[in-house]
Amino acid sequence: EAQVTQNPRYLITVTGKKLTVTCSQNMNHEYMSWYRQDPGLGLRQIYYSMNVEVTDKGDVPEGYKVSRKEKRNFPLILESPSPNQTSLYFCASSIGGNEQFFGPGTRLTVL
Amino acid sequence: GEDVEQSLFLSVREGDSSVINCTYTDSSSTYLYWYKQEPGAGLQLLTYIFSNMDMKQDQRLTVLLNKKDKHLSLRIADTQTGDSAIYFCAERIGGSYIPTFGRGTSLIVHP
Repeated sequence: EAQVTQNPRYLITVTGKKLTVTCSQNMNHEYMSWYRQDPGLGLRQIYYSMNVEVTDKGDVPEGYKVSRKEKRNFPLILESPSPNQTSLYFCASSIGGNEQFFGPGTRLTVL
Repeated sequence: GEDVEQSLFLSVREGDSSVINCTYTDSSSTYLYWYKQEPGAGLQLLTYIFSNMDMKQDQRLTVLLNKKDKHLSLRIADTQTGDSAIYFCAERIGGSYIPTFGRGTSLIVHP
């Protein structure tokens, strides 16, 4: 089954404790991206990647890192999480940026 | 910069048509999208339209684009309770990989 998976689905952590949210897709898509969804703000893109070793900033990259060492994986790294990064995070993949397939989301709470 | 506006709520009776509206500001927008988000799930692409089109129909969904007024609408015919969800409008300029999302319209379908 074609899908985008994210782990973990739920995470509660404390300020400053490094964490990684994994994202994996099995559709051989070149394009992957990370979004955060906050109430009243819709979705905002954090980072995107057009292919292996090619990443670029989206609208709200501050406080986040990404890597794309393999085509199928696009982890999101928070080196020193802060409470303002409490949010719902979505990973997405697509062939060319149009028909994006979204993962189920990761709800992160930073205390 | 780009801005995408949607009304926050829409309530309709089962069997009626729903019309969800969206306005955008960037006249060079090339791709316009409608996504559906069910509770606890990621976004699902419903349909998208190129800016050189006026209308696109797909089963119960009709997308209308008024380029002059920068207005996009999604009509759902014979609305069912399973259509209850949040609907996001998004735009993307050709050559950019950063889509701009609206804040989402919550569609509530009641018997």
